[in-house]
Amino acid sequence: AQSVTQPDIHITVSEGASLELRCNYSYGATPYLFWYVQSPGQGLQLLLKYFSGDTLVQGIKGFEAEFKRSQSSFNLRKPSVHWSDAAEYFCAVGYSKLSFGAGTTVTVRA
Amino acid sequence: DTAVSQTPKYLVTQMGNDKSIKCEQNLGHDTMYWYKQDSKKFLKIMFSYNNKELIINETVPNRFSPKSPDKAHLNLHINSLELGDSAVYFCASSQKKRAEERGIRDTQYFGPGTRLTVL
Repeated sequence: AQSVTQPDIHITVSEGASLELRCNYSYGATPYLFWYVQSPGQGLQLLLKYFSGDTLVQGIKGFEAEFKRSQSSFNLRKPSVHWSDAAEYFCAVGYSKLSFGAGTTVTVRA
Repeated sequence: DTAVSQTPKYLVTQMGNDKSIKCEQNLGHDTMYWYKQDSKKFLKIMFSYNNKELIINETVPNRFSPKSPDKAHLNLHINSLELGDSAVYFCASSQKKRAEERGIRDTQYFGPGTRLTVL
């Protein structure tokens, strides 16, 4: 069965510090991988995606993610967090039918 | 120039009522989706349409009926609303032209969501 695990429910980070959000998946084959961000009261915005090729992908807002096949992981990183990065982050895997993780809430403190 | 739009943004109604949520995309995409986000923010797909044809139909009560009048619109009608239907409903679209297609056209773009509250 397909599953997506985001082990961290809530992360608090200081502004300017680095951020890493974890995502592990279980899937029959290497699926397509996505990270979305949901700001309070907003819809989901696509941050980045991985289909194939280079395992380090760059996204919008200074985010990047690295696909590691051996670990079935697709972790999201940002070198320096801004207060506007406070939001809910979702990892999603699949093709047409996306399976989402439970999300990680990111709080940014001044 | 909203890409994927939904109306209404908020919907408050009584149990037993029938309501509809509308979704429109102006991206020229061929595939559209409905997702439900529960109170714990867990997102789960409900339906997907490709060129007005139903291709994904998850285990959803048959009180939920999607309708796609054309490939730019996918509406969700809900009969006999129940308390458990309270959630945020998201519409999404992708370029995918055929159900079996794979690749970058699988990228899904989401609308702003409709918060449904059943009293």
